[in-house]
Amino acid sequence: VQLVESGGRLVRPGGSLRVSCEGSGFSFSDYTMNWVRQAPGKGPEWVSSISSGRSYINYADSVRGRFTISKDDAKNSLFLHMNSLRADDTAVYYCARDLLDRFGDFPSPFDLWGQGTLVSVSS
Amino acid sequence: EIVMTQSPATLSVSPGERATLSCRASQSISKNLAWYQQKPGQAPRLLIHTSSTRATGVPARFSGSGSMTEFTLTISSLQSEDFAVYYCQQYNKWPPLFGPGTKVDLK
Repeated sequence: VQLVESGGRLVRPGGSLRVSCEGSGFSFSDYTMNWVRQAPGKGPEWVSSISSGRSYINYADSVRGRFTISKDDAKNSLFLHMNSLRADDTAVYYCARDLLDRFGDFPSPFDLWGQGTLVSVSS
Repeated sequence: EIVMTQSPATLSVSPGERATLSCRASQSISKNLAWYQQKPGQAPRLLIHTSSTRATGVPARFSGSGSMTEFTLTISSLQSEDFAVYYCQQYNKWPPLFGPGTKVDLK
């Protein structure tokens, strides 16, 4: 049972990037999945969630309108498309699985995390 | 938006001692509180959810308590592998928010 992120790299301010996460060892399509980021020396910050049936999608205010979450259940994959990147988007980006099914009404703790992928935004 | 605070920022403990970490929410979150452990270079690991329920595989020396706005994580007898940063997280309402963390280091 694991999650593996990829795609992080150095990007110029204003640029775009897509990071990916592949799940294995569990029924990926049955779970709500999330992106959580952590800036250097800071605590984790939830970024976005997508439900198992894509019936709900949520974003943090800090990324709404710039980031788009999506998933491909056939490939057990989760994506985060990031546009208009800023220096304060610099962070390790983790994908994480919801522990509890709260039907989108409420968030959940995260019981499975990937190892993270580093996104650096700098000129 | 709910604000999460944690105290102390750093807790210096000797192996075998008891460690008590606090987390406070700016408004009631019922028992929708989780605790995570994070070691350098690793992802956070879920320890406790619903204030006091240990996650799968978490040793019994970790216990959680509290409700509404005041929560506590207790490590009954600190082991060498427990030196890490601990975060609380509320999931009572959107957005899910983490506290700033408590670093447990060697006294």
